[in-house]
Formats: sequence, C-alpha cells, structure tokens
Amino acid sequence: AAGVIQSPRHLIKEKRETATLKCYPIPRHDTVYWYQQGPGQDPQFLISFYEKMQSDKGSIPDRFSAQQFSDYHSELNMSSLELGDSALYFCASSLRQGSNSPLHFGNGTRLTVT
Amino acid sequence: AQKITQTQPGMFVQEKEAVTLDCTYDTSDQSYGLFWYKQPSSGEMIFLIYQGSYDEQNATEGRYSLNFQKARKSANLVISASQLGDSAMYFCAISGGGGFKTIFGAGTRLFVKA
Repeated sequence: AAGVIQSPRHLIKEKRETATLKCYPIPRHDTVYWYQQGPGQDPQFLISFYEKMQSDKGSIPDRFSAQQFSDYHSELNMSSLELGDSALYFCASSLRQGSNSPLHFGNGTRLTVT
Repeated sequence: AQKITQTQPGMFVQEKEAVTLDCTYDTSDQSYGLFWYKQPSSGEMIFLIYQGSYDEQNATEGRYSLNFQKARKSANLVISASQLGDSAMYFCAISGGGGFKTIFGAGTRLFVKA
C-alpha cells in the first residue's frame, strides 16, 4: 500500500539558511500534518491542512511557513535556520478530519543545522 | 486543551511476558480518539491501535490491546507475549474537539529482555 513520502530524508544546512521539506500524502487522504521531533522528545504539532486550507496551527515559529498544493502535496518552508531547528520533521496524512482518524506518518526528514 | 500523560519513562519486560504501558489523558471534549504509536530506533512512527471515546469495547489489534477506562481517563496499552522487536519508544496520543491536530505524550521506552 502507498505510504506517506517525504523528501529529502536527510538535510544539512547552515545557520540562517533556508530549507524546504516536501510531503506527498497517501492518495485520497485529505488532511496533512507537520510535526517536529527534537532528540528524545515527543512529536510537536506544527500545522495541518484540510483540503488545501490551513486547518490548525500549533507551535510553529514565524520563520516557518507551509502550504498544501492542488495535488495535495505539502511543503514546509523554514527560513533563517537556527541550531535549535535541528530535529526530525514528520509529515502525516489522514482521511477526513475527525477524532477517529489515525495519522499515517512518513519516514521523516532529519534536519541538521550547523 | 488536551493533554496526555505517560508516567513511565522506561519499562523493562522479559521476552514472552505481557507488559502494560500507562497513559492518562485530559480533555473537555465529548468526542475524541486515543491512539498508540510505536517508534523504533530507526525513527519511523508506526500506528498501533485506536480507541474512540464512544467505543464500549476495548480495542484489540493482534498482540496489542487498549485498556480503556473512560471514567478514569486512562488508555493503557497492553502488549502480550513481548518480542525482542517490541523494544521501542511508545507514544500515547489524543485527537478530537474539532481541531485538526493530534497531541502526543512524552513516551515510554520499552526494553524487551531475552
């Protein structure tokens, strides 16, 4: 079965650079989520999109932005990178927003900021 | 606001024995979903089991079962016949309230001993 695809798997950037992470949800899934997981931490919700519209926002820094495109793929744009942005970034998708929809996660993008 | 509490940072279990991972939650929503995810050392997030707030029966998925006690706001994960491959971080999570996000607990790291 098709899974959530994230690219790249690994990314190394320097401070103050920008990064773009991509996510391709499971076909027919209409909701996409972005999470940030620091070392030894639980995943922190950043932002979600339902049918290409932002649906909820968590602890996403103003330096970050995201969008979902007409083909349902999503991109997380990160500017003015800081050392503290080094983390594992997950994209997840689900079918229909609702409290009974499990998230299906991609394998994540490991971002290292030096 | 929703909150998940996992009070066991680490747990040890002997291979082939059962183990219970604790999870308590706090929510003011009437309709919500509870989930457990497994994160092996390789980093991916794997959905294990789901329990809806209106489900009267405890959820089961193979060796995983969810001990749902709504009045106590607990949703403990029971893993039967532990295997070495069960060694991983386990996250309890909650979603609902009309929002488009799932909130995770701090996780419990499970070590299965041969």
